[in-house]
Amino acid sequence: QLQLQESGPGLVKPSGTLSLTCTVSGGSISSSTYYWGWIRQPPGKGLEWIGSIFYSGSAYYNPSLKSRVTMSVDTSKNQFFLKLSSVTAADTAVYYCAMTREWYSGAWCAGRHWGQGTLVTVSS
Amino acid sequence: DIQMTQSPSSLSASVGDRVTITCRSSQGIRNDLGWYQQKPGNAPKRLIYAASSLQSGVPSRFSGGGSGTEFTLTISSLQPEDFATYYCLQHNSYPLTFGQGTRLEIK
Repeated sequence: QLQLQESGPGLVKPSGTLSLTCTVSGGSISSSTYYWGWIRQPPGKGLEWIGSIFYSGSAYYNPSLKSRVTMSVDTSKNQFFLKLSSVTAADTAVYYCAMTREWYSGAWCAGRHWGQGTLVTVSS
Repeated sequence: DIQMTQSPSSLSASVGDRVTITCRSSQGIRNDLGWYQQKPGNAPKRLIYAASSLQSGVPSRFSGGGSGTEFTLTISSLQPEDFATYYCLQHNSYPLTFGQGTRLEIK
């Protein structure tokens, strides 16, 4: 059973950089049948897609965050990463790593597997 | 960008009721849509993929429909464990976009 686990600081100072790691277990991040990504949810609000990355490193970002987001992948460690720079209080949210798309039953589908989420608070 | 308009934003219903949630996309997305259920404090759980395919292990009272620009999630007979927030997600093109969510509450 494929599992994802987020890790990283729970508190980041304004203007700093938010850095999170997602560790994938029970499957290979190098599979060509998966896209990996990050989704966030501010307290009491809806879901916002941040970006997705393929194991090759090809990445797609939300245009509203693109200037501040960098995603990367380390296939040797079965991990992928998120960096969000110049954070403000508006970036306070639960951050989920997830399989954003997968090849399932013969077609690309919305991803099945998500991490449990990690709350990141931006505050001095 | 493809906008996903989900309605209603909240819904009050009783156990046993049939409810339908709708997502409309600003442009055609074929059947590149999934439905997720989220309970407080938990990650979203995929219920439906490819607009109408039921995820293994999900009760058959859940069903999805639609193609193109209009999609529905129907719960045929609400159970107590179904009270949660539901989201649609289009993955036809980047940026991926979610609907605003439907909070399903007990009447």
